[in-house]
Amino acid sequence: GAVVSQHPSRVICKSGTSVKIECRSLDFQATTMFWYRQFPKQSLMLMATSNEGSKATYEQGVEKDKFLINHASLTLSTLTVTSAHPEDSSFYICSASKIRGATDTQYFGPGTRLTVL
Amino acid sequence: GIQVEQSPPDLILQEGANSTLRCNFSDSVNNLQWFHQNPWGQLINLFYIPSGTKQNGRLSATTVATERYSLLYISSSQTTDSGVYFCAVEDGTSGSRLTFGEGTQLTVNP
Repeated sequence: GAVVSQHPSRVICKSGTSVKIECRSLDFQATTMFWYRQFPKQSLMLMATSNEGSKATYEQGVEKDKFLINHASLTLSTLTVTSAHPEDSSFYICSASKIRGATDTQYFGPGTRLTVL
Repeated sequence: GIQVEQSPPDLILQEGANSTLRCNFSDSVNNLQWFHQNPWGQLINLFYIPSGTKQNGRLSATTVATERYSLLYISSSQTTDSGVYFCAVEDGTSGSRLTFGEGTQLTVNP
């Protein structure tokens, strides 16, 4: 149990376009989902936390108008990278937890590799 | 915010060897998880271990919360154990947000 999927697994886009990444919890209801970014040979950095039905909470330094997050249902969160530029190229990973606002195991998706040309 | 340090940063082993990975954290934690990131980027949950000891096959982990460290033991290592091992903690002051260490890159040679 506790499987999280992401789609697409990899995407290549031109500079200036927008890209949407989906994160789904397949066998549980995820009250909270998290979005991370990982650059090559580096650790995961939390970008934002989203609770179902609420606005996302962004980490310091993350532009909320550039990285749009929607968590409209208990099984789906989306991250849209707007007007993507080459510096946005990275590995984007989502995670989900079952309990809102409390300590719980986070389950991670397989990641989406974004390349902006 | 809370600081997480992992050691060693890199580790090379021969198949069959045992190893210990360490995670130090700067404040008390509500949650500590160990992950293995495989070569394709997938993070695999190994342990949810804010305190105490757990074992799962060849892997075991111990967290001594009062001394602010956790250890991950890998016994009889296999080539498939290669990858990056991350420790991540939640300090209880930041909702359920996890802070990751820099990871240990493990290479197991045949």
